[in-house]
Amino acid sequence: DAGVIQSPRHEVTEMGQEVTLRCKPISGHDYLFWYRQTMMRGLELLIYFNNNVPIDDSGMPEDRFSAKMPNASFSTLKIQPSEPRDSAVYFCASSFSRQRGAFYEQYFGPGTRLTVT
Amino acid sequence: GQQLNQSPQSMFIQEGEDVSMNCTSSSIFNTWLWYKQEPGEGPVLLIALYKAGELTSNGRLTAQFGITRKDSFLNISASIPSDVGIYFCAGPPLYTGANSKLTFGKGITLSVRP
Repeated sequence: DAGVIQSPRHEVTEMGQEVTLRCKPISGHDYLFWYRQTMMRGLELLIYFNNNVPIDDSGMPEDRFSAKMPNASFSTLKIQPSEPRDSAVYFCASSFSRQRGAFYEQYFGPGTRLTVT
Repeated sequence: GQQLNQSPQSMFIQEGEDVSMNCTSSSIFNTWLWYKQEPGEGPVLLIALYKAGELTSNGRLTAQFGITRKDSFLNISASIPSDVGIYFCAGPPLYTGANSKLTFGKGITLSVRP
């Protein structure tokens, strides 16, 4: 079975540019999560969706960040305009809720390493 | 936010040795998860624990949900070079309710000398 797919794997952009990260969750999973990982702050949850609907976006750092999930097999995380402090690895993860506790068994993609210069 | 404490930051062991690592919190957790992350990859779920006192194995890995519900332990037996990576504990604090955010520890970097 295919795991969570993310693209691109690496992105280098200049400050002020728009960046779009993409994610395809595992088929059949009804929860999708966006995380950011940095050395200083570790893994942080940015936002998560249930059945394509955003449930909790309290981790989104500021208005420059936005996320969408137009259908069950695709999500985007957009940063506009990007800043050097946005440099990090961004992970997408998915899980399903059919069993008690399974919500927490999140399967991560390989991540997108973003560098903003 | 709630902290999960993992220490030390790094561990160095000889191939073939067993290693134990733990994760502690000041709050009660109702679920504990252990993930492993290799360079350039996303975290991979190793073991999930749902009940205080629960002991679960996955090959050479064994994890336990502490009786106090404030800690969890991961043991790796007979380590091999491919055990190298960062081991994270994670869980939702009990007070945050159902389907709440996972809190992650900062991770322990494991090195295995051949």
